[in-house]
Amino acid sequence: EAGVVQSPRYKIIEKKQPVAFWCNPISGHNTLYWYLQNLGQGPELLIRYENEEAVDDSQLPKDRFSAERLKGVDSTLKIQPAELGDSAVYLCASSGRNTEAFFGQGTRLTVV
Amino acid sequence: QQQVKQSPQSLIVQKGGISIINCAYENTAFDYFPWYQQFPGKGPALLIAIRPDVSEKKEGRFTISFNKSAKQFSLHIMDSQPGDSATYFCAASKGAGSYQLTFGKGTKLSVIP
Repeated sequence: EAGVVQSPRYKIIEKKQPVAFWCNPISGHNTLYWYLQNLGQGPELLIRYENEEAVDDSQLPKDRFSAERLKGVDSTLKIQPAELGDSAVYLCASSGRNTEAFFGQGTRLTVV
Repeated sequence: QQQVKQSPQSLIVQKGGISIINCAYENTAFDYFPWYQQFPGKGPALLIAIRPDVSEKKEGRFTISFNKSAKQFSLHIMDSQPGDSATYFCAASKGAGSYQLTFGKGTKLSVIP
């Protein structure tokens, strides 16, 4: 069974440019999460989806970050414009009914 | 406000020794306490988890000890091996069936031969 798939694995962009990350959750998992992991820190939740509905986006900086999960499967996280402080690893995770959260390998973003 | 506090930040243990990592939480609504293991360049992977209705859970060399009254839980790794060298995160979530996790800051474990 395929795990959570994220792309790209690495992304280097100049500040003020837009960037997007893609996540394909485990098949059948209704809940999808985006986490931000700064170097040497634990992951911090950005947004949680139940199917296509964002049920908790309180930690998502809405002035520059947006996310969508059309059709309740794949999800995209976008940053526009990116700032130097956005350099981090962006993790996607998914969980199903009564199954724990599984994480993807993450996208490492470097803003220069 | 850091809801899950983890210590130590780093840990060096000799092969065959016991590694102990501690976490404390503040929110009494938390009812699911997992430990995740993360290797460089990889996403976190679930190692072991416990719910507050038991005080201890053991899976192989890994044991969680849980103290509800003290709001603390710990991970013990018995017979630590060099392959256990990784960063370990404790986490917590609340609500039945919820896996929206609040993580500690992590412990970097190095097991030396």
